[in-house]
This record gives sequence, structure tokens and C-alpha cells, in this order.
Amino acid sequence: EDQVTQSPEALRLQEGESSSLNCSYTVSGLRGLFWYRQDPGKGPEFLFTLYSAGEEKEKERLKATLTKKESFLHITAPKPEDSATYLCAVQARSGSEKLVFGKGTKLTVNP
Amino acid sequence: ETGVTQSPTHLIKTRGQQVTLRCSSQSGHNTVSWYQQALGQGPQFIFQYYREEENGRGNFPPRFSGLQFPNYSSELNVNALELDDSALYLCASTRGGEQYFGPGTRLTVT
Repeated sequence: EDQVTQSPEALRLQEGESSSLNCSYTVSGLRGLFWYRQDPGKGPEFLFTLYSAGEEKEKERLKATLTKKESFLHITAPKPEDSATYLCAVQARSGSEKLVFGKGTKLTVNP
Repeated sequence: ETGVTQSPTHLIKTRGQQVTLRCSSQSGHNTVSWYQQALGQGPQFIFQYYREEENGRGNFPPRFSGLQFPNYSSELNVNALELDDSALYLCASTRGGEQYFGPGTRLTVT
């Protein structure tokens, strides 16, 4: 069964304090690994898709990387507006295009 | 802007009742997926439709059913509501291999 585990569950940072969020996964043939940002009470906002080990993608202060077993979301010099829950999901190569999500990491950035 | 809209925004129902949630996406987005997100959890896959046919289903009972229409709108129907059905229900349409979510419908069952 496809599975995603995210750590830590919650993370508090000071503005400007860089850190990383972890997403460990098991999947029967990876089609893609997805990162989303979710604000309270709202739908997830798409950030990145990674398809193969070694791939990296960047957007503003965020950088996502992928290995065969895990993905990291690096946050450089975060600002309070980066506070949100970050969700990781995997999609298997076979079957439907369903996403299997982790529980997320709740990030709080204090000014 | 994802181009995915959902209605209603909030809904309160009583246990045992039935509910219909609606989703609308942009022209050409042939795949729509529905997810249930309980408080503090990640979204759980309910089912997916491609060109009006069910294309995959998660571990949800048959009282969860859906429809997709030719105008790229979709419905999620839940019969015999239970207290545990209280959650945020998310609709997502696929574009370029990526799923873009709507704002969700918050369902409370009392």
C-alpha cells in the first residue's frame, strides 16, 4: 500500500531561520511526488511536482528535492507569510491518478 | 487562480440526511477527483471521474457516490450521513498531470 509520512508534525521558526521539511514515501512505482501549501480552511495550493530521484525545483524561498525514498522541502529565510501547512503527496504509475497524502507539516514563522 | 469552484462553502446537516456537493472546473479539464479531509489530517481520495466515467475509487462505502457532467461540473453525493462524515470536501481537476484544488466545502454533521 502506498504511504506518505511527513515530519515534523509542527515546526516553529523565527523569520529568516532556514529549515527543511521531510516527506518519506513508499509507492509501487512513482509517477510523481507533489508538494502543496494549505492555509486554514482553504484548498491545497499546488507548489511543485518531482518525477525522478535527483530532481530539484525552486520557487521563491522554497526548494524541493527528491530521492528514491524521500523528499525535502527547504525553506530559506522564511517570512511570516510562509506560515501554512505543507502537504506532500505521491501518485503511483499504475491505476487511477489518485494522490496519497501525508498528514502535513504545520509551519509557523514568527516575526 | 485554479479555475476550480465549489459550492456551497459551508453546510450543516443532521445524521441520516443526504447531501450533494458541487464542483465546477474549466473547459477541457476531463479528470475530476474528490477528497475528504478530516481536521488535522491529509486529504483522503474518495473517487475520480474521467469523461463522465468513474476511473478509480478509494476506501469509501457505496453511500458516497458521484457524477461528472459534459459541462465539466461534478457532484459528490453522500447518503445516510454519519457524524464521522464531518470534514472538508475537496474537488480537484487535472491539468498537465497536476491536480488543482478548489476551495472546498466544509460539511458539519450533527
